[in-house]
Amino acid sequence: GESVGLHLPTLSVQEGDNSIINCAYSNSASDYFIWYKQESGKGPQFIIDIRSNMDKRQGQRVTVLLNKTVKHLSLQIAATQPGDSAVYFCAERGTGFQKLVFGTGTRLLVSP
Amino acid sequence: DAGVIQSPRHEVTEMGQEVTLRCKPISGHNSLFWYRQTMMRGLELLIYFNNNVPIDDSGMPEDRFSAKMPNASFSTLKIQPSEPRDSAVYFCASSLVSGTGIHEQYFGPGTRLTVT
Repeated sequence: GESVGLHLPTLSVQEGDNSIINCAYSNSASDYFIWYKQESGKGPQFIIDIRSNMDKRQGQRVTVLLNKTVKHLSLQIAATQPGDSAVYFCAERGTGFQKLVFGTGTRLLVSP
Repeated sequence: DAGVIQSPRHEVTEMGQEVTLRCKPISGHNSLFWYRQTMMRGLELLIYFNNNVPIDDSGMPEDRFSAKMPNASFSTLKIQPSEPRDSAVYFCASSLVSGTGIHEQYFGPGTRLTVT
């Protein structure tokens, strides 16, 4: 078996708190970014996306912020609920036509 | 909508055996992606197809891996011969792509492969 694995950063919050998950991307030419949520035993699920010509986009209880100057992406979840507990991945579309490059992920733990 | 369908959900095989993973994309989608997820390397794109044609297979680890898409509703990822280091969860995703438009990818539930 594998003895060394990715160390997922973990964010622990209380139910009702606001959560902020951060992501640094690598390619300054990336023009599209997505946040995915992955629950245990399931495939990644789309949350929200943003194009590079925007710096903010809001969805239901979620907001994505894009800072192209420092190549930083963040996902804000308002009024976090236990059902939000999952691993969250950011992904960027770089040089490939539809090719997404995923970050390593952040584990969000929400306590009731 | 049934979503992306993958089979089998779990596969346990012995080293050296051939493994075939299957995917049915969402009806009407014209792009299909195969990913591998491991603790060591995270989520990696292996190959993707557009209109049944492989566009980028640079992520395929080695010649033991091959993927086909004989029609718009079916794709396979084959590993022959399999090795223990191939143990991972393999995801298939599909999307509808038009021109240079950007479209979300919908993921299947994955196939957990264990090679002993």
